[in-house]
Amino acid sequence: DAMVIQNPRYQVTQFGKPVTLSCSQTLNHNVMYWYQQKSSQAPKLLFHYYDKDFNNEADTPDNFQSRRPNTSFCFLDIRSPGLGDAAMYLCATSRVRGSDTQYFGPGTRLTVL
Amino acid sequence: KQEVTQIPAALSVPEGENLVLNCSFTDSAIYNLQWFRQDPGKGLTSLLLIQSSQREQTSGRLNASLDKSSGRSTLYIAASQPGDSATYLCAVRQGSGNTGKLIFGQGTTLQVKP
Repeated sequence: DAMVIQNPRYQVTQFGKPVTLSCSQTLNHNVMYWYQQKSSQAPKLLFHYYDKDFNNEADTPDNFQSRRPNTSFCFLDIRSPGLGDAAMYLCATSRVRGSDTQYFGPGTRLTVL
Repeated sequence: KQEVTQIPAALSVPEGENLVLNCSFTDSAIYNLQWFRQDPGKGLTSLLLIQSSQREQTSGRLNASLDKSSGRSTLYIAASQPGDSATYLCAVRQGSGNTGKLIFGQGTTLQVKP
């Protein structure tokens, strides 16, 4: 059974058109993470939620926002996607902050036209 | 600032060969190091995790070692199989705070030919 689910798996948007990516988890984990992985590059942490506490990485562009309405769901909002935002977006969870094990979803591949 | 490097970027070997993937990191103050596997267009699957106090971990045909003082880790794959073809990423967790932030290398893409 899938534990970390991301929808959609593939998303195409137009330059400047807002887009929302979704992540849900059945693990009841307290922490949810969003990573950005550009082609042939390392995944890079954008932000994470510890319960409802939002933690932004210092170099995450303002164009990226996140919402976590409840324990199970977390959303990544890209307000005005640029061509440089085309990437794989990976959601991960962990039981507690600082936990060693992070469980990753399959990712959403975003294309910006 | 922690930087994680993986060499080589790509590797192609015949089936049955033993191989070693390398990972280096610049700041030795890490909590642990983890090796992941990523299949094309997919998410990450954790393979092995080595705590900073440990020297190695084994799982089946996989063996990961850690030399924290020199900033190096290796992933050894014995008797490689075509099903091992994937990208392998290493990631370190920084030594302070409890954010659980992982810093990844760019990965080594492995192809095992039948």
